[in-house]
Amino acid sequence: EIVMTQSPATLSVSPGERATLSCRASQSVSSNLAWYQQKPGQAPRLLIYGASTRATGIPARFSGSGSGTEFTLTISSLQSEDFAVYYCQQYNNWPTFGPGTKVHIK
Amino acid sequence: QLQLQESGPGLVKPSETLSLTCTVSGGSISSSSYYWGWIRQPPGKGLEWIGSIYYSGRTYNNPSLKSRVTISVDTSKNQFSLKLSSVTAADTAVYYCARQPYGDRPTLIADWGQGTLVTVSS
Repeated sequence: EIVMTQSPATLSVSPGERATLSCRASQSVSSNLAWYQQKPGQAPRLLIYGASTRATGIPARFSGSGSGTEFTLTISSLQSEDFAVYYCQQYNNWPTFGPGTKVHIK
Repeated sequence: QLQLQESGPGLVKPSETLSLTCTVSGGSISSSSYYWGWIRQPPGKGLEWIGSIYYSGRTYNNPSLKSRVTISVDTSKNQFSLKLSSVTAADTAVYYCARQPYGDRPTLIADWGQGTLVTVSS
């Protein structure tokens, strides 16, 4: 099993600021990495796949980078609707998720 | 517009079998372009992929659950189903059905149902 870790567990950010979320894999997953956003009471939503490709309809303020074992999700200027939990997921092997990073208002 | 709707009992007794069905609308489950999967999320916790199925019936299961999981597809009803046997309180979770792009194996989750909470309790 490929174990995914995320840091920080929680992130306090003011609206308009930049947020940087990290994800690490226990072994290389190449670029087979996705990011999801989940708001309370809702299903997750795909944001990024292939480590850096935005899914359909995802605003340009969301960007992903990295390969191998180290990945980053950057939200360039946080909007009120971006406060949520973010999960990374590898699919180089059978799918596994990270524990999530909660982004909340500072 | 694709819609995925989970249905099934919200309460299951310990040691029994959890059974859920996902009804697909706005798309065909017989499409060669997708897998159909199940993911779960215990209350307040993270996500766990349970398994996926192709319309042909080929399945892929999480090795940690493999012996307890059965996923099936009914193309005539545009539905797929999950059975999880010998449940315990640790199986209490929101269960999501999902659509995944076809490839060598199940990968990312492109579309999600709204989820259904299943509680395991006597």
